Formats: sequence, structure tokens, C-alpha cells
Amino acid sequence: SQTIHQWPATLVQPVGSPLSLECTVEGTSNPNLYWYRQAAGRGLQLLFYSVGIGQISSEVPQNLSASRPQDRQFILSSKKLLLSDSGFYLCAASPGLSSTDTQYFGPGTRLTVL
Amino acid sequence: AQRVTQPEKLLSVFKGAPVELKCNYSYSGSPELFWYVQYSRQRLQLLLRHISRESIKGFTADLNKGETSFHLKKPFAQEEDSAMYYCALHSSGSARQLTFGSGTQLTVLP
Repeated sequence: SQTIHQWPATLVQPVGSPLSLECTVEGTSNPNLYWYRQAAGRGLQLLFYSVGIGQISSEVPQNLSASRPQDRQFILSSKKLLLSDSGFYLCAASPGLSSTDTQYFGPGTRLTVL
Repeated sequence: AQRVTQPEKLLSVFKGAPVELKCNYSYSGSPELFWYVQYSRQRLQLLLRHISRESIKGFTADLNKGETSFHLKKPFAQEEDSAMYYCALHSSGSARQLTFGSGTQLTVLP
């Protein structure tokens, strides 16, 4: 089975500062990778997904960007954080294109922008 | 566009009582539906999927295409069932995205 690592676990950043959240995956090759934001009362919102190295799709327009420099590494970034970027960010991975693929989630990163 | 609706943000039941967490979906294709659960201080994880027609931890969910629903049910709730539950719909696109509902926080009271 897959293991998803995320760091840092918590982060407090001032408005206007840059951001880099990292996610790595163990236990599978060429996974589909996902970044979600979990906001109170709003559930899980898909931000980005990737089906391969260098391939990033964005679901919602926003202040954030994502990159996949290696097969099992997924990075969420921002050049200048906004207050509205605060939230709980989850990375997820699924093994491929099977109709029964399960998504496995990381422990998440709690971001607070002050 | 696909959508998943969980009308209840908070749900409390007493231990031993039946529980039903509602989920309705909107999708033009043939849906694949899942329930994910997040216990306190644990990762979000898959609870069950409609394709498997399985019962996990006493929970079942039946896909009702006529009512476009996938409600999660358990006949006798336990305190350890207290958690955040998300209903999710799998898209048929190449990236297999999941569309999540807003979640229901279930509290089982002693």
C-alpha cells in the first residue's frame, strides 16, 4: 500500500510571504497526485492534480501553484500568501487509472496566514 | 458538472441508535461513489465504495440511482464511530478526480 508524507505539519506565515509545501509518496510508481484544501464547513476542495511528471491541472483559479519535479514528489507553492490561503492542505495519491482506485491521503499541513 | 451534497453538517445520535448520513449526487455519467472517514487526529481514509457492496465496521451504503443518493447507514452506532464523514464521487476523466461533499461530523453520545 502507499504511504503519503507531507511537511511541514503546521506552518504560520505572514501575508505576502512565499510558500512551499511538500508531499512525497512511497509504495507505488507513476501515481496520480492531488492537492486538496479542507476548509471548515466547506469540505474538501480539489486544487490541483497530476497524472505524471511535469503535468499539472488546476481545478480552481487561485493564488497557488503546483509542481511535480519527480514521479513521487508534489509541491504546492505560492509567491505571495494571502489571508484567504489559510487552511488545511491535504496531499493524496492513487495508483493509476483503474475504476476502483482508492485515494490515499497524507496527514495534512495546517497553514495559518497572519 | 458533478456535485455531491451532504445536507447535514453536524449529526448526533446516542450509542446503540441507528444512524444515517445523507449524500446526494449530481452526475451525468455512471457514478462511482465512496465514503471517506476522518477520525480525530487520523488521516482521511476510505471507508467503503459502492462497487464493492461491502459492509465496513457495520456501515453500509446503497446506491439509489433513482433518487441519486448514496446514504451511509449503520443500525447500531458506537462511540468510536464519531468522526467526520465525506461522501465522494469519482469522475470518469483521465485523472480520476474525486468530488467531495462538505462532510458530516458525526458524534455518538454515550
